Amino acid sequence: SQQGEEDPQALSIQEGENATMNCSYKTSINNLQWYRQNSGRGLVHLILIRSNEREKHSGRLRVTLDTSKKSSSLLITASRAADTASYFCATDDSNYQLIWGAGTKLIIKP
Amino acid sequence: DTEVTQTPKHLVMGMTNKKSLKCEQHMGHRAMYWYKQKAKKPPELMFVYSYEKLSINESVPSRFSPECPNSSLLNLHLHALQPEDSALYLCASSQEGVYGYTFGSGTRLTVV
Repeated sequence: SQQGEEDPQALSIQEGENATMNCSYKTSINNLQWYRQNSGRGLVHLILIRSNEREKHSGRLRVTLDTSKKSSSLLITASRAADTASYFCATDDSNYQLIWGAGTKLIIKP
Repeated sequence: DTEVTQTPKHLVMGMTNKKSLKCEQHMGHRAMYWYKQKAKKPPELMFVYSYEKLSINESVPSRFSPECPNSSLLNLHLHALQPEDSALYLCASSQEGVYGYTFGSGTRLTVV
């Protein structure tokens, strides 16, 4: 599956600051999903935004989707040390195949 | 039960061994997946089962053999693997992708 792109590749911020990660993709989508992965562990589904939605919130997470630019962003507000992880976006074309971004490694410094 | 359970968590096997990875979910999800993930890379899709039938095989070598005994179980049989097959193997399930995928914690496989 062709990868989407995420930026930045790595992000290091102080605890309490906001973290923003971006994702771009190439094809039409049914929905876009964000996942978190702690080191060497399984992926955890964070949030799903459908192609007809522009913004979605879940706790400290805010996701936006711009289908005209084929891009999405994930904002984590008031970051905590426990947010340290890799974050992946994945697009779903309803064909059982997620197309994954390369991931952003987020480090929260205490 | 909202989990996907994978066993074993770690596996070391020789190139002549035969082993199996197991995956179980009781959420009633009708699609189940095997992914392979190398360090610092996103997951790569290997196989998809939909309603217990193999629907996608991403050109995976025959030394990996999937099996879906029932709607809750998914196995991955391993035989004559190569050192480059060492990776994190992830199982996932979904309700036809509507609500996102639920992943297991993975099996860390090392081939020696």
